[in-house]
Amino acid sequence: DTAVSQTPKYLVTQMGNDKSIKCEQNLGHDTMYWYKQDSKKFLKIMFSYNNKELIINETVPNRFSPKSPDKAHLNLHINSLELGDSAVYFCASSPRTARGNTGELFFGEGSRLTVL
Amino acid sequence: SQQGEEDPQALSIQEGENATMNCSYKTSINNLQWYRQNSGRGLVHLILIRSNEREKHSGRLRVTLDTSKKSSSLLITASRAADTASYFCATFETGGGNKLTFGTGTQLKVEL
Repeated sequence: DTAVSQTPKYLVTQMGNDKSIKCEQNLGHDTMYWYKQDSKKFLKIMFSYNNKELIINETVPNRFSPKSPDKAHLNLHINSLELGDSAVYFCASSPRTARGNTGELFFGEGSRLTVL
Repeated sequence: SQQGEEDPQALSIQEGENATMNCSYKTSINNLQWYRQNSGRGLVHLILIRSNEREKHSGRLRVTLDTSKKSSSLLITASRAADTASYFCATFETGGGNKLTFGTGTQLKVEL
């Protein structure tokens, strides 16, 4: 079974469209994240949710709206897509240990978004 | 902004040789981690070293941490073609809002 799964793996769309990427983890983790990896492979955190509550929002345009219906799911909806949104989006989750959250992340395989 | 800067950006070695990658960071950290990313895949956690640790081993991996210099190194011994991937350091910052900040990555190519 895939631990962190994202769909779709590839997404090609026109500028101005709205699209969603879904993420699910079956690891029982409390914390989930969205990261964006650009063409130079820079990885930047976008959002983090802990048990359905937003805890990190890294100055991402409000065209991006994360939604966490439960702690196993974190979806990303993007409105009015722009060329610069083209990237690979990674979902990740992390466990809470007795020592607190160490930040060790378990990543999905990524969703490659291409905006034309 | 990127917390970690890695060097080299790219490294090409022969199978059996050792590969060393370096990472520098800017702020106080709780721990530092290394991840591997194969082409077209997600990142995979390799090893975590806490701020009060200086060296850690896992199989063919050896990680060092120098908090006074704010730097870390990852050594892969006896490299294999399957080690070809991008390697990223990532820092979990003290009081950093529970997030992991990634470095710029080193692209390692191991040739037969």
